[in-house]
Amino acid sequence: QVQLQESGPGLVKPSQTLSLTCTVSGGSISSGGYYWSWIRQHPGKGLEWIGYIYYSGSTYYNPSLKSRVTISVDTSKNQFSLKLSSVTAADTAVYYCARMDAFFVDYWGQGTLVTVSS
Amino acid sequence: QSVLTQPPSVSGAPGQRVTISCTGSSSNIGAGYDVHWYQQLPGTAPKLLIYGNSNRPSGVPDRFSGSKSGTSASLAISGLQAEDEADYYCQSYDSSLSAPWVFGGGTKLTVL
Repeated sequence: QVQLQESGPGLVKPSQTLSLTCTVSGGSISSGGYYWSWIRQHPGKGLEWIGYIYYSGSTYYNPSLKSRVTISVDTSKNQFSLKLSSVTAADTAVYYCARMDAFFVDYWGQGTLVTVSS
Repeated sequence: QSVLTQPPSVSGAPGQRVTISCTGSSSNIGAGYDVHWYQQLPGTAPKLLIYGNSNRPSGVPDRFSGSKSGTSASLAISGLQAEDEADYYCQSYDSSLSAPWVFGGGTKLTVL
């Protein structure tokens, strides 16, 4: 059973960089075949795709966030990470890491609330 | 607004059958891309409920079923139970968008 767990600060100041890490257990990122994703959900709202990374390092970013997003992978630790720069209150959301099977998400992390506030 | 349109809310009494629609267009559902459904119980992460229009992952009760026709898809829940009260999201792929993996806006199911 694949499990994903997000970790990182729950509070980030405006204009700073949000950094989250997702630790994967029960499966290897290096095995390929899956796209390791970040998805967020604003309070009381729907789901928004941020982007994904393949084990090889190739990435895809939502164009609406592309200029501020970096997703990286550390296969030795079986982790992948999200950095979102120049955050504002509009970036306050629950951030989920997830495993995507080409077209749909088959495993989700529990999610972590990140609040942007001074 | 979302590329995939869902009703904001539906409701039903225990034991009843409810359906949730997901309406798209010729660049997503109508183009032949599969529709997937997720269930998000209060305060929890979404969970895959239906994939590939009508397939249930292991462990999902057969009370949940999915279908697709034309530019729309539907999620049906029969024998409604109190624990089915949740938000439900459809998701597909849109070839016209630069952010092609799209979710519906979500539907809140209330069990009366």
